[in-house]
Amino acid sequence: RKEVEQDPGPFNVPEGATVAFNCTYSNSASQSFFWYRQDCRKEPKLLMSVYSSGNEDGRFTAQLNRASQYISLLIRDSKLSDSATYLCVVTTNTGNQFYFGTGTSLTVIP
Amino acid sequence: EPEVTQTPSHQVTQMGQEVILRCVPISNHLYFYWYRQILGQKVEFLVSFYNNEISEKSEIFDDQFSVERPDGSNFTLKIRSTKLEDSAMYFCASSEESDNEQFFGPGTRLTVL
Repeated sequence: RKEVEQDPGPFNVPEGATVAFNCTYSNSASQSFFWYRQDCRKEPKLLMSVYSSGNEDGRFTAQLNRASQYISLLIRDSKLSDSATYLCVVTTNTGNQFYFGTGTSLTVIP
Repeated sequence: EPEVTQTPSHQVTQMGQEVILRCVPISNHLYFYWYRQILGQKVEFLVSFYNNEISEKSEIFDDQFSVERPDGSNFTLKIRSTKLEDSAMYFCASSEESDNEQFFGPGTRLTVL
């Protein structure tokens, strides 16, 4: 079983749309959760951490459901610059390594 | 804004040769990591390093791989005898604490011929 599973997409949405990505993880002892974005042939860049109570950063909202081992990311009012691959990241129970999902590709269309 | 740097940006080598990939983590960070990403695939953990020793390593990180912090700023990944399947982008990352967000360098693209 994969540590982290994501729908690879692609998601093609018009500017201004709302889009949601989901992710599931297998290790119930995982401690920390993140969303990263990766542009083509670039390094992963932190988008936001995901907290148990859910958190929001501007147009981005992240949710965590520990019981279902499920993480989500909601992007409102999509911009062209949001086009990227979104990586769901889960740490081990020791916190010493990241498990990455395969990523979900988003293209925002003018 | 502090950032992780990596050199070289692209390394081409012959199969069987040794390569050393270099990283300078963010200066006040204590935890260091190497990841690799084969083209079109997901980012995979190789090794984590803290207090001058390996904390965890994956199955990928076999005897051909080693890491070192030779001085107060550099963190290196050595591949002793490269194989064709080692061709990938190698990312270095660092974090202040274990379990915190990790900051990634721009990567070294390794091509093994």
